[in-house]
Amino acid sequence: DQQVKQNSPSLSVQEGRISILNCDYTNSMFDYFLWYKKYPAEGPTFLISISSIKDKNEDGRFTVFLNKSAKHLSLHIVPSQPGDSAVYFCAASGRTDKLIFGTGTRLQVFP
Amino acid sequence: EPEVTQTPSHQVTQMGQEVILRCVPISNHLYFYWYRQILGQKVEFLVSFYNNEISEKSEIFDDQFSVERPDGSNFTLKIRSTKLEDSAMYFCASPEGALSNEQFFGPGTRLTVL
Repeated sequence: DQQVKQNSPSLSVQEGRISILNCDYTNSMFDYFLWYKKYPAEGPTFLISISSIKDKNEDGRFTVFLNKSAKHLSLHIVPSQPGDSAVYFCAASGRTDKLIFGTGTRLQVFP
Repeated sequence: EPEVTQTPSHQVTQMGQEVILRCVPISNHLYFYWYRQILGQKVEFLVSFYNNEISEKSEIFDDQFSVERPDGSNFTLKIRSTKLEDSAMYFCASPEGALSNEQFFGPGTRLTVL
């Protein structure tokens, strides 16, 4: 039961360019969405979040966009840096506070 | 970023043995969560714990699993009789504030069941 999907397992972007990571969800009861960054053998690191009452949230180089009608969110990283190379997970929560994670997208930023 | 700590970082055990994984969440928090990630798969919710009681658990969290808060600061996940398929990274998480939706994760414990 994949309620949160990240259809791109990997993404490769040149340093300085924009990285766009996508996430789709199926459960219309989700009302809060988060992006996490993860390195191997480490815990997920919280990046940015958005409530369903908003369509955009920005924090420095990171912007999350939410399209509720399409049940789609995206994370934009501008400009991309080599240190951004990691696996990015989107997650959602709804009536209960447990997080439902997507399968992750591996971002590689090359010089 | 608020800090959640976990011990041990790596635990190797024989199938059928009991293991206890420990977490020290962000101080003074009533909400705690356990998640796990099997190698190559997504992070999965196991259980949430509020005010010394389980508030929600997943299908994964069967009778072999239990959670406790043995004292005011530590939070443990016990697996009574480990199976090979329990091998995974186990993460503890807690929110920054009582009304916060953002959960902050510990570094994880790698459990290897032989």
